[in-house]
Amino acid sequence: GENVEQHPSTLSVQEGDSAVIKCTYSDSASNYFPWYKQELGKRPQLIIDIRSNVGEKKDQRIAVTLNKTAKHFSLHITETQPEDSAVYFCAASKGYSTLTFGKGTMLLVSP
Amino acid sequence: NAGVTQTPKFRVLKTGQSMTLLCAQDMNHEYMYWYRQDPGMGLRLIHYSVGEGTTAKGEVPDGYNVSRLKKQNFLLGLESAAPSQTSVYFCASSSQGAQTEAFFGQGTRLTVV
Repeated sequence: GENVEQHPSTLSVQEGDSAVIKCTYSDSASNYFPWYKQELGKRPQLIIDIRSNVGEKKDQRIAVTLNKTAKHFSLHITETQPEDSAVYFCAASKGYSTLTFGKGTMLLVSP
Repeated sequence: NAGVTQTPKFRVLKTGQSMTLLCAQDMNHEYMYWYRQDPGMGLRLIHYSVGEGTTAKGEVPDGYNVSRLKKQNFLLGLESAAPSQTSVYFCASSSQGAQTEAFFGQGTRLTVV
């Protein structure tokens, strides 16, 4: 089955800095790659996603890039703010049934 | 529109006891999922359903059973709870399965002593 590796497990940045979280996947047939944000004690929520026919997608301060050849995708957050502090999960799927999540990255943004 | 609602929010069980977690969604979604979240392990899929009356095993199904008798409800059962099942459980639903946004419930924190 699919295996998704996520790095780093913890990331600390200063407010205003950029943050990058990287994921690799094992199944070359995977074609949908969402990112979820989970604030402390809350439920995961989708923040951005990308499909395999697109190399990059942006939404205000967040962007996701996809390299199908290398089988990796990354989340980029610019101008980080304290409210960006959360656990971020990447995920991958190739069909309609199941989504495989990475183990998560705890992002800490210090004022 | 409540989205996805889980019941209960917290529960403490003794080893060997049984319980059922209820997930209800009001978005008319076909796909529903049960995940468990453990520190450093991410979200691992327990069981899922692609429509009313269907269920399938996920990555970590042992010790759990599920039922989807009604489209809006997805039940997760623990027949004989073990300390290894101490976790936070999340239910999720989506309209087009794993190719679209999953909407999560608020989670159930289960402790087995």
